[in-house]
Amino acid sequence: AQSVTQLGSHVSVSEGALVLLRCNYSSSVPPYLFWYVQYPNQGLQLLLKYTSAATLVKGINGFEAEFKKSETSFHLTKPSAHMSDAAEYFCASKIQGAQKLVFGQGTRLTINP
Amino acid sequence: GAGVSQSPSNKVTEKGKDVELRCDPISGHTALYWYRQSLGQGLEFLIYFQGNSAPDKSGLPSDRFSAERTGGSVSTLTIQRTQQEDSAVYLCASSLEGAATPLHFGPGTRLTVT
Repeated sequence: AQSVTQLGSHVSVSEGALVLLRCNYSSSVPPYLFWYVQYPNQGLQLLLKYTSAATLVKGINGFEAEFKKSETSFHLTKPSAHMSDAAEYFCASKIQGAQKLVFGQGTRLTINP
Repeated sequence: GAGVSQSPSNKVTEKGKDVELRCDPISGHTALYWYRQSLGQGLEFLIYFQGNSAPDKSGLPSDRFSAERTGGSVSTLTIQRTQQEDSAVYLCASSLEGAATPLHFGPGTRLTVT
């Protein structure tokens, strides 16, 4: 079985501050991991993905995530938040042999001016 | 190229009516998924198609829900005798085969059951 847990349903940071969104996974085999972003009234857009090629993955809009097997984590970071980063972020996992993408509950990111 | 499209974008229906939601995947994508997004429920998997067959329909909440896919392309999600708890955004996604391939999502259909 696989599952994804996102710590914090709501995160608020100031513009220019570090963004850290937490994601932990649980699976019996090494998973493929994804971060998606959903802007208000829009569909989900892929930010980045981990497919075992490199543990530090860079995505769009200055986001990156690091896969840490020892911590079963795949936290999303951005050094300096921008107002346009306000959105909901979803971490998701998929394992070899299973086509289903399993999502975390999502984290709503608010940016304060 | 064109992304995943869904229609209608919004649907308001009366309790007890049937509704059909349509998804047009990206051309060449053999895998197609339906998810449901409700307030406080996150993204709930409904069904997965590989070609025209559905090897995983474990997420369909009741026998009022059904889906089909024809020609390895368009998919329709049908909800019979709608209930208020069916109100949600229904998201369709498509992808190439393979666990490492990301899903590409459509904009969703917002269903409101009154």
